[in-house]
Parts: sequence; structure tokens; C-alpha cells
Amino acid sequence: SAVISQKPSRDICQRGTSLTIQCQVDSQVTMMFWYRQQPGQSLTLIATANQGSEATYESGFVIDKFPISRPNLTFSTLTVSNMSPEDSSIYLCSVEEGTESYEQYFGPGTRLTVT
Amino acid sequence: AQSVTQPDIHITVSEGASLELRCNYSYGATPYLFWYVQSPGQGLQLLLKYFSGDTLVQGIKGFEAEFKRSQSSFNLRKPSVHWSDAAEYFCAVDPGFQKLVFGTGTRLLVSP
Repeated sequence: SAVISQKPSRDICQRGTSLTIQCQVDSQVTMMFWYRQQPGQSLTLIATANQGSEATYESGFVIDKFPISRPNLTFSTLTVSNMSPEDSSIYLCSVEEGTESYEQYFGPGTRLTVT
Repeated sequence: AQSVTQPDIHITVSEGASLELRCNYSYGATPYLFWYVQSPGQGLQLLLKYFSGDTLVQGIKGFEAEFKRSQSSFNLRKPSVHWSDAAEYFCAVDPGFQKLVFGTGTRLLVSP
């Protein structure tokens, strides 16, 4: 499976600021995904990022708050904008490998704390 | 409403004992089904998946899961639990849109 890294692994940020999270994959993948895991909660899909097109956001998530870039087939960024304490979560990127497997593999996550 | 349910928030199992974690889903058609494990401070690791065919699927680390269409269930099992299995386990479904919907998770505690 693909090896996925995320930067930073964790950060503490002040409210009102923005943080950009990077996701790097060691192979070319078509579909990348960004998830949020709030404290003690399950994972919720934020958006799907395909190279060469605008990200597709899930209900409850908007581009102004979570802008996403996908400049090539191995890299994506998620920005958490104008942060509030409610944005404190683990943010994970994942990739889908293969044309028929529909398997998603996850990065280690970025633990964000907003004070 | 479409959902994934893991009815057990916490489960404690003695080391060496068998394990079964429950997962039920409510989707009209059979979705793709997955189990992931999240160890403390770690990302999610895929344990196994079901797409079609044999309803008993084998995964990594000695885990298996059985799909039961009549019960809309996909329960995870392991015959003998090791202390290193202590983690959070998530059932997930892909209802056909290449998007994973996760259950709320079950935290497994392993007692000596």
C-alpha cells in the first residue's frame, strides 16, 4: 500500500489564525480524501480532492473554511481557516489505491489544538 | 437514515479470549464494508474488506469478519486476543460513491 505522510503531525494554534496541513504520498493516486476526527468521535469526510479539478465538499463543510489544493497526483493540502476551538481535531488524509479496490489508506493524521 | 452502527462503545476482553465486535449498517443495497483499527497516536490501518463473494473474509493480524446480508451486519472476530490488539476499531461502509462512512468506533481493552 501507499506510504502517506502528513505535516505537521501536531500543532497548537490561536483562534482566528489559519493552518495548512500537507499530505504527501509516495505513489501517484487519483483520489485523495480529507477527514476530520473530533475528540472522542469517529471520522467524518470533509472533501474529496482529485487532481485537476475542484475539491468536492461534504454537507456541512465549505471551501472558504477548508480550502484544498491538489496540484499533482502525489500531494494535497488542507487549510483550516479562521480557526476556533471547535476546529480542534485530528485531520487525516487518505488515498484510494487501484482502479477497482476501493480501499482507502490513511496518513498518520495531524492533531490540531486551537486555543 | 443511512448509517453505520457500532453498538458497543467499550469492550474489555481477557488476553487469549475470543473477540467479536459488532457492526450494522442501514443502506438499501449492500455497500462495500471495511474494518479499520486505530492504535493510540496512530493513523487508521485497514484490517479487512468485503466487496462480494465469500461472506467470511480474512484480514491481517488474525482478524476475520462475516457479512450477513439478512442482518445487515459485518462483525469482526478474532479467536484469541493479544494485548497489542488494544485499540479503537472502526467499521466503515462505502455505499457506492467512493466515500467512507464510519461507525462511532469500539474501544477494545485487553485485560491480563
